[in-house]
Amino acid sequence: GENVEQHPSTLSVQEGDSAVIKCTYSDSASNYFPWYKQELGKGPQLIIDIRSNVGEKKDQRIAVTLNKTAKHFSLHITETQPEDSAVYFCAAKYSNYQLIWGAGTKLIIKP
Amino acid sequence: NAGVMQNPRHLVRRRGQEARLRCSPMKGHSHVYWYRQLPEEGLKFMVYLQKENIIDESGMPKERFSAEFPKEGPSILRIQQVVRGDSAAYFCASSPAGTDEQYFGPGTRLTVT
Repeated sequence: GENVEQHPSTLSVQEGDSAVIKCTYSDSASNYFPWYKQELGKGPQLIIDIRSNVGEKKDQRIAVTLNKTAKHFSLHITETQPEDSAVYFCAAKYSNYQLIWGAGTKLIIKP
Repeated sequence: NAGVMQNPRHLVRRRGQEARLRCSPMKGHSHVYWYRQLPEEGLKFMVYLQKENIIDESGMPKERFSAEFPKEGPSILRIQQVVRGDSAAYFCASSPAGTDEQYFGPGTRLTVT
């Protein structure tokens, strides 16, 4: 079946440093790739997304890159802050509306 | 504009009882999706509904689970005769017609004792 692999499962970075989370997907027809941030006890929050006709998208300290040929996409967070600590999920759209999710990355920002 | 609302936030049921989870989409959103999340895992698609229509229920178990999104009122995910394996967080998301973005509610955490 369709799947999305996400790495690493845990990422610990010093405050102020950058964090990179990587995902690969299997369905070459996928054309929409959102990233969600989930804090403990809360629902996932959409933080950035990218469509297959674009290679990179930025929003302040957050950026996402997409390599359609290799079928992978990455989340980049620069100048990390304590409030960036959370679990981050990547997803790929399958069959027009289903989101197939990665297993998540727990991001820890060390003070 | 209020976000996606779900209630209850926590639900405890004994084995064999019924669980009803409610989801009110964001204003103007006509599409509703239900997902299930086990601890330390990603979300798994269950069902996609539009007003009065089930579009895709391929991710939902064929027995004991049902979903509806009536013309008036919230979307309901119903689990009959709950078992311990149904314990999970259930999230609802909504989107406007014709868009990719899905916006999630805070979830209902179901515990079956």
